[in-house]
Amino acid sequence: NAGVMQNPRHLVRRRGQEARLRCSPMKGHSHVYWYRQLPEEGLKFMVYLQKENIIDESGMPKERFSAEFPKEGPSILRIQQVVRGDSAAYFCASSPGLATDTQYFGPGTRLTVL
Amino acid sequence: GENVEQHPSTLSVQEGDSAVIKCTYSDSASNYFPWYKQELGKRPQLIIDIRSNVGEKKDQRIAVTLNKTAKHFSLHITETQPEDSAVYFCAATKVTGDYKLSFGAGTTVTVRA
Repeated sequence: NAGVMQNPRHLVRRRGQEARLRCSPMKGHSHVYWYRQLPEEGLKFMVYLQKENIIDESGMPKERFSAEFPKEGPSILRIQQVVRGDSAAYFCASSPGLATDTQYFGPGTRLTVL
Repeated sequence: GENVEQHPSTLSVQEGDSAVIKCTYSDSASNYFPWYKQELGKRPQLIIDIRSNVGEKKDQRIAVTLNKTAKHFSLHITETQPEDSAVYFCAATKVTGDYKLSFGAGTTVTVRA
């Protein structure tokens, strides 16, 4: 059973460009969470999704950031018009669903904005 | 929302000694407390977790204790080894209806050979 997959592992963008980060949850997992980790800091919750639904996006900036988890395919975190402050490691985690709370993390995407 | 504080921020121990990391949380409704280990440039990996109906849990050299009244929980690593060197994060969440994890700021553990 493959673990949580993320790609790309490293992404470099210039200011003003768009960044698309992908997350494929573990097989059988229907819940996806995105977290952001700034250098030498802890992980901060951004958004929680189930298939085709955003459940909680309270940690996501209101502008430029969006997330989706379509019926088919990976979850996507999209950052439009990136700025230097967006440089961070973005981790996604997945869990099987109700009554099972353990979250398993992917390897992360390290975004660098030049 | 939930606020988790973690201490100390750095911890250096001699190989073979014990390491203890403490966390406090603010939301009395939180009922699930995992601990993650993150090596440099790697993903956070779950090493142990505890639920609020249990006061202590042990897995080989790692143990976690929970004091619901005081709203704090601790990670204990015994007989530390160089491979225990990493950043450790505590987290808290309410399992019912709110699965997002609130993390502590992390503790950098260095085990000296």
